[in-house]
Amino acid sequence: KAGVTQTPRYLIKTRGQQVTLSCSPISGHRSVSWYQQTPGQGLQFLFEYFSETQRNKGNFPGRFSGRQFSNSRSEMNVSTLELGDSALYLCASSRGEGQGNFGVGYTFGSGTRLTVV
Amino acid sequence: AQSVTQPDIHITVSEGASLELRCNYSYGATPYLFWYVQSPGQGLQLLLKYFSGDTLVQGIKGFEAEFKRSQSSFNLRKPSVHWSDAAEYFCAVGAGSGGSNYKLTFGKGTLLTVNP
Repeated sequence: KAGVTQTPRYLIKTRGQQVTLSCSPISGHRSVSWYQQTPGQGLQFLFEYFSETQRNKGNFPGRFSGRQFSNSRSEMNVSTLELGDSALYLCASSRGEGQGNFGVGYTFGSGTRLTVV
Repeated sequence: AQSVTQPDIHITVSEGASLELRCNYSYGATPYLFWYVQSPGQGLQLLLKYFSGDTLVQGIKGFEAEFKRSQSSFNLRKPSVHWSDAAEYFCAVGAGSGGSNYKLTFGKGTLLTVNP
């Protein structure tokens, strides 16, 4: 079956702009999580959505937001971009409920590389 | 709060040598533990996971890991490293289902270099 699809793969934006990243989870997976990866901070949890509801949020400013659609696809948005937002943004999908939430682990996409100039 | 420590930032081994990557976690209950591997410019690939039961877990690509509750460790091992194993390895801990715990907490990663 198809894996987790993230689009676009690469983005270059200017400070102050906003950006929207997309993630399509594995078919049947209802949970989508987002992570930011930078050389300095490593992998940091942004937020997690399940059935269109945000269930958990990391320690990021309000400029970072997300949503999930009824087909489980998710988008994350970053407004008023800063140079420090340059990172690899990874999306992960899982079944999302009960013990099975971790039963298959999280499957990650290849990421979107965002560069802010 | 959960946390993961990978003490070794960078490890270099010769091809054919054995490998052990260390991981220590902090979590109040029974953890869900994972090892992921990341090649340059790529996403994370799941190598193996531990939820319960046998403390020695087998994964893909010939990797295994052992959960030791008394040491709060989940070290990754491979008996004979191949050049294609060169990558960055991440240990992660996840809380159980329910509440606000639907997330993974990652270590900082260990970069593996394999010499021919």
